[in-house]
Amino acid sequence: GESVGLHLPTLSVQEGDNSIINCAYSNSASDYFIWYKQESGKGPQFIIDIRSNMDKRQGQRVTVLLNKTVKHLSLQIAATQPGDSAVYFCAENINYGGSQGNLIFGKGTKLSVKP
Amino acid sequence: DAGVTQSPTHLIKTRGQQVTLRCSPKSGHDTVSWYQQALGQGPQFIFQYYEEEERQRGNFPDRFSGHQFPNYSSELNVNALLLGDSALYLCASSLDLYGYTFGSGTRLTVV
Repeated sequence: GESVGLHLPTLSVQEGDNSIINCAYSNSASDYFIWYKQESGKGPQFIIDIRSNMDKRQGQRVTVLLNKTVKHLSLQIAATQPGDSAVYFCAENINYGGSQGNLIFGKGTKLSVKP
Repeated sequence: DAGVTQSPTHLIKTRGQQVTLRCSPKSGHDTVSWYQQALGQGPQFIFQYYEEEERQRGNFPDRFSGHQFPNYSSELNVNALLLGDSALYLCASSLDLYGYTFGSGTRLTVV
């Protein structure tokens, strides 16, 4: 399949290590944030989400941290595996006034896991 | 339970032509959003359909239009194709505002 990771920041980690992917979001009115994983030739796949009234949310091997003060989002992946290799996007949802439901995506980070 | 289904998977069109892309939402979802993803970029919001109406639109020209049918499926139409319209077109369905699920996309190449 075609690569979606051209010209993207790349994070290279060793299998078994923890990965941290960072994202700065744009709008202080955003109230819902999502991390997506996109493999070559596929659409974005939901990983984990967090609402603006939370600072941290944990899933299976993943944790999302939200710092509203500096408009920063991070995704932590524990015990990274080769299957985690993909491009990761953060997305924000601005839900105010007439702007409901469109996701604004960040630039993406390509995670490369070395076996 | 099928997820979001998009057709066709790949398409080659000539500049100036018109194209129609199709999307069937995930079962139980009533909202369909369309995104354009250029190579190496994040997806960009085109528009969203809910109850057969365009609810919101991103910064795309009128050449991009859409439709939602009573069964919640949707079409994206692009007229007067430009080389710059070459991209992966993604459809996402949701139940109102949350639970977005993306399809695998249609790769459009304009030559």
